[in-house]
Amino acid sequence: DSGVTQTPKHLITATGQRVTLRCSPRSGDLSVYWYQQSLDQGLQFLIQYYNGEERAKGNILERFSAQQFPDLHSELNLSSLELGDSALYFCASSPSNSPLHFGNGTRLTVT
Amino acid sequence: QKEVEQDPGPLSVPEGAIVSLNCTYSNSAFQYFMWYRQYSRKGPELLMYTYSSGNKEDGRFTAQVDKSSKYISLFIRDSQPSDSATYLCAMRNGGSQGNLIFGKGTKLSVKP
Repeated sequence: DSGVTQTPKHLITATGQRVTLRCSPRSGDLSVYWYQQSLDQGLQFLIQYYNGEERAKGNILERFSAQQFPDLHSELNLSSLELGDSALYFCASSPSNSPLHFGNGTRLTVT
Repeated sequence: QKEVEQDPGPLSVPEGAIVSLNCTYSNSAFQYFMWYRQYSRKGPELLMYTYSSGNKEDGRFTAQVDKSSKYISLFIRDSQPSDSATYLCAMRNGGSQGNLIFGKGTKLSVKP
């Protein structure tokens, strides 16, 4: 168990809808990262937050947004969902300058 | 050309075999190299973490980095059925520790 908790495990929703994915990092980790894993693209970095502030952005669509709260948990918001957004979404956390530890992901299915 | 190339396999070996997994990359700025193991329906689990060139050993696992050839390897000795998983290489430059570039993973099956 990595200590990173993600909820929900599964989400099924329709095109055009909005969903929120939640992540609780390991105790003491200030950084939270979001990744998307699809069969054709593999694991792709979306965004990083450090102690409540956005630190780095990757291939995140404008329809997607994230935030990190004072208790360090993070939420990834996906809106105007399309079929192609169906994927596994992983959260990871780390202390400073250390490797990432991943949660078990949220499987999103858009129908 | 993709930044990180990894043979997707699948790779099937008998129990006890030595397994060699590899990735090549194109970005000479990469300095940190990792191997993650991912079981079905689980998140990636960190196996090995190395900086720059050289070898690192941890139990049955050995990671090698050859920056001159832009080539990294993971060796698994005395492979076990419990090693059956997808192995992902990942790397990054000296900047943001979060922006890892992953290979697409090699699916390994170790047969008893």
